[in-house]
Amino acid sequence: KNEVEQSPQNLTAQEGEFITINCSYSVGISALHWLQQHPGGGIVSLFMLSSGKKKHGRLIATINIQEKHSSLHITASHPRDSAVYICAVGYGNKLVFGAGTILRVKS
Amino acid sequence: DTGVSQDPRHKITKRGQNVTFRCDPISEHNRLYWYRQTLGQGPEFLTYFQNEAQLEKSRLLSDRFSAERPKGSFSTLEIQRTEQGDSAMYLCASSSSGQGRQFFGPGTRLTVL
Repeated sequence: KNEVEQSPQNLTAQEGEFITINCSYSVGISALHWLQQHPGGGIVSLFMLSSGKKKHGRLIATINIQEKHSSLHITASHPRDSAVYICAVGYGNKLVFGAGTILRVKS
Repeated sequence: DTGVSQDPRHKITKRGQNVTFRCDPISEHNRLYWYRQTLGQGPEFLTYFQNEAQLEKSRLLSDRFSAERPKGSFSTLEIQRTEQGDSAMYLCASSSSGQGRQFFGPGTRLTVL
């Protein structure tokens, strides 16, 4: 069983839709990270959170420590949001990653 | 500062050859990480340095893999006697102590023929 599970694996949305990507984890963590990866490999850190909620522009990340669950929301989605979104948990000195959610936003 | 850089960006090699990758972290970051990512999967942890000390190695890192960070700045990852299963994206990241956020380089894509 993977320690970090993401859902859905693939998501196609129409421009303007509200998008939710979910992440569940089974290990004790120091923090949870949401990352964005574009074709070609580059990974950008979107959020790091250990409790509550964070917002940056159209992106919102929430975490429920008791339920070991986090969500990433994208409001008013745009084709430029198309990417792979990866959840990762801080575990000791390293990150443990989910497999990623492939998001495609169509115009 | 331009962020984390990796060299080369792409490497094609024949099975059995040795390859070496380089990572230059953000200059003030004392922590450096290597990850490996295969197609359709999330990255997997390989090893971690704090300054020049290699503090943790994954079981994924077989005896054919070695990593160094000799002066606590840049790091190298060497793979000896490459196998087709080594084909992957090798990612480097860096961070500061006390700051959990990691900054990633663009990766080195290795193809072993």
